[in-house]
Amino acid sequence: SQQGEEDPQALSIQEGENATMNCSYKTSINNLQWYRQNSGRGLVHLILIRSNEREKHSGRLRVTLDTSKKSSSLLITASRAADTASYFCATDAGLNFNKFYFGSGTKLNVKP
Amino acid sequence: DVKVTQSSRYLVKRTGEKVFLECVQDMDHENMFWYRQDPGLGLRLIYFSYDVKMKEKGDIPEGYSVSREKKERFSLILESASTNQTSMYLCASRRTGMKGVSNQPQHFGDGTRLSIL
Repeated sequence: SQQGEEDPQALSIQEGENATMNCSYKTSINNLQWYRQNSGRGLVHLILIRSNEREKHSGRLRVTLDTSKKSSSLLITASRAADTASYFCATDAGLNFNKFYFGSGTKLNVKP
Repeated sequence: DVKVTQSSRYLVKRTGEKVFLECVQDMDHENMFWYRQDPGLGLRLIYFSYDVKMKEKGDIPEGYSVSREKKERFSLILESASTNQTSMYLCASRRTGMKGVSNQPQHFGDGTRLSIL
């Protein structure tokens, strides 16, 4: 399976701390995306990083991609209680532009 | 903003019933998807459609069918519901990116939590 796998499965931190989540995948990709899911809701797209990029920033989010290790990390700086959610990475399926593989997610709890 | 609307947030049906889950998007996206989400298994693709009347199987199509008669609407059908189809179902839509590049994000609805008794 090409499914991405997030690590850790769950993470609990205090407000103001940084949160780092990791994603590993198995085969070559064109890009990798990160999504957030609040409890009982759908997924919301956060950021996309292309296979030829190594790092990307968006507000308090920083994503890195290491294609040699087939891994990515999502860093949320200065976390807030509102960041409490599950975070998923999604990888494309190479030549099939419409197939994406999601991992089982990291459940982040930010304590006020 | 893109809006993807799923017709029901919660649905309870009985084993053997034919169940319809409806999804509508308002941004003229070519591509639409149905996933199911189960604890510890992430999102698994059931079917997707890249154009009206076109469909392609995902990773777990067994027991499901889909219909896309209009661009904005994508329906998931459980032909004869079974208890192992109890799950959260998520619909998504996506614009087609540049040819050969899958760089457009997916936009999700809020999901339908389906219980089969």
